[in-house]
Amino acid sequence: AQSVAQPEDQVNVAEGNPLTVKCTYSVSGNPYLFWYVQYPNRGLQFLLKYITGDNLVKGSYGFEAEFNKSQTSFHLKKPSALVSDSALYFCAVRSRGTDKLIFGTGTRLQVFP
Amino acid sequence: NAGVTQTPKFQVLKTGQSMTLQCAQDMNHNSMYWYRQDPGMGLRLIYYSASEGTTDKGEVPNGYNVSRLNKREFSLRLESAAPSQTSVYFCASSEEITLAQYFGPGTRLTVL
Repeated sequence: AQSVAQPEDQVNVAEGNPLTVKCTYSVSGNPYLFWYVQYPNRGLQFLLKYITGDNLVKGSYGFEAEFNKSQTSFHLKKPSALVSDSALYFCAVRSRGTDKLIFGTGTRLQVFP
Repeated sequence: NAGVTQTPKFQVLKTGQSMTLQCAQDMNHNSMYWYRQDPGMGLRLIYYSASEGTTDKGEVPNGYNVSRLNKREFSLRLESAAPSQTSVYFCASSEEITLAQYFGPGTRLTVL
């Protein structure tokens, strides 16, 4: 069965420090991988995606993610966190040839001043 | 561009009542989706529509029906609401080129 795991319910980081939000997946073949962010009382916003090519992908608001095929991971990173980055982050995976996204359970990022 | 719009934003129902959640997108996307979001569960797909005139079940379709009225609109109907359907419902659409899904602001539904 296809699945996405976000092992941390919450990540705390001080403003200015680097941040990592972890994601691993279990999907057959070469999937498409996504990160979304959700601010309070809002819908999800697309951050970035990996389709093919360079394993490091860059997205909105200075975020980037690294695809690691051998570890089946797609961790979200940012070199210097901002308080305004505090939100709920979702990793999602889509098998090639399908329309359906499978979401992780989300990781709450808290950036402290 | 309004993107993806949803109505209503909030709704309270009594057990057994019915209602329809409306969703529209103005991005000319072929695919549209309905999700529910529950604490600790992430987003779970209820139904999706790959194109006008087609609909398919997702992970949690029981208790729901959908209609893809035209390319723009995709509605979700609860025929007989149950407390287990208390949730936040999100509609989304996607384009085939970028594969990204774009979400509406959500409908917060409470079933008493």
